[in-house]
Amino acid sequence: DAKTTQPNSMESNEEEPVHLPCNHSTISGTDYIHWYRQLPSQGPEYVIHGLTSNVNNRMASLAIAEDRKSSTLILHRATLRDAAVYYCILRPTNFGNEKLTFGTGTRLTIIP
Amino acid sequence: SAVISQKPSRDICQRGTSLTIQCQVDSQVTMMFWYRQQPGQSLTLIATANQGSEATYESGFVIDKFPISRPNLTFSTLTVSNMSPEDSSIYLCSAGADTGELFFGEGSRLTVL
Repeated sequence: DAKTTQPNSMESNEEEPVHLPCNHSTISGTDYIHWYRQLPSQGPEYVIHGLTSNVNNRMASLAIAEDRKSSTLILHRATLRDAAVYYCILRPTNFGNEKLTFGTGTRLTIIP
Repeated sequence: SAVISQKPSRDICQRGTSLTIQCQVDSQVTMMFWYRQQPGQSLTLIATANQGSEATYESGFVIDKFPISRPNLTFSTLTVSNMSPEDSSIYLCSAGADTGELFFGEGSRLTVL
């Protein structure tokens, strides 16, 4: 399975934008880039996913490099509720292998 | 979207016993997975629950220890057999479509004494 590399931890000030990087240099053409986050004492929560083009939703934006070897999750205005562990995951789409394999993620701390 | 309910939410069990965790999804889904999350760690995939056939287990997990059933498109069970304190963990059910987002339950926190 293709792997991702994320910083172990990041800090950001409340109400400022946050850019969470992810490297995935061995990504294959059929891998989707998924982001999930896990708040304390909860199951993971879907944030966003994309294949080649940048994506926006109500929670965040996903910027994907042209060569797809890296991506950045952008939280436009961080709140205290965004403090969580953020996981960048490559999800294969070939039949029978569409599983999510979690790495260690980035622990995001929001400073009031 | 899909809402996933897991039961029990937590349990304390004795060494050598078995516990079955249930996962109910409020809509039909193609994919269901079971994960384990030990304290302070990331999630580890145990197996893919296949509807109408045997589950597909990841390396390090075997059917005798973690038997899984998936009788239909909305329900699955994971049994933790012959438990030891090392099985103390949070067990999470996940479900979704072949592509797109996956949804997770709140988890079942298991403590083995």
